[in-house]
Amino acid sequence: DTEVTQTPKHLVMGMTNKKSLKCEQHMGHRAMYWYKQKAKKPPELMFVYSYEKLSINESVPSRFSPECPNSSLLNLHLHALQPEDSALYLCASSQEPGRGTGGWDEQFFGPGTRLTVL
Amino acid sequence: DAKTTQPTSMDCAEGRAANLPCNHSTISGNEYVYWYRQIHSQGPQYIIHGLKNNETNEMASLIITEDRKSSTLILPHATLRDTAVYYCIVRVAGRGSNYKLTFGKGTLLTVNP
Repeated sequence: DTEVTQTPKHLVMGMTNKKSLKCEQHMGHRAMYWYKQKAKKPPELMFVYSYEKLSINESVPSRFSPECPNSSLLNLHLHALQPEDSALYLCASSQEPGRGTGGWDEQFFGPGTRLTVL
Repeated sequence: DAKTTQPTSMDCAEGRAANLPCNHSTISGNEYVYWYRQIHSQGPQYIIHGLKNNETNEMASLIITEDRKSSTLILPHATLRDTAVYYCIVRVAGRGSNYKLTFGKGTLLTVNP
């Protein structure tokens, strides 16, 4: 299984709602990532988890709250979002960053969740 | 991580080779060149990476100049399904990696029938 799955595919929420995005991989990868991609822009890194611990937070507002309950799952909890947070949210995973070269750092991306905040 | 410069867009005829250039004149000795692509409405997909030698896999070839200041991704026989934004990324890999992929604006490759 070389797939990263993300649910839901689409999400519409109001500014007072609380919702969660889910990401799952069964490749045994120990690093997982959240990226945000606005229309016609490149993806931007938000968070990195390594061995289920948060290792990078790219100064993301606290209305985005990541969680890594186990090595296969990554969640992104959303609360009190703004319309400008509407974007494609991408999850990715990779094997073991820092362990040699030759593809260990290759990131596998999911199809993304398209989020619209009204 | 070193910055990269890519053309905004390129066209290619179906069946012909697509050659996508990337400039990375400030690349450091321990930085690799990675290529990813993103087909419309999908997540990015890893293509290939290299340090200083030319590399080839089932998807593409990567040619890195001797001074490592530029590289070219070659899709030998482009198909309509290769229409995508191609990102050239330079970063440290392996030991000392900071895990990050920093995407630039990329090149929109349009393969025409």
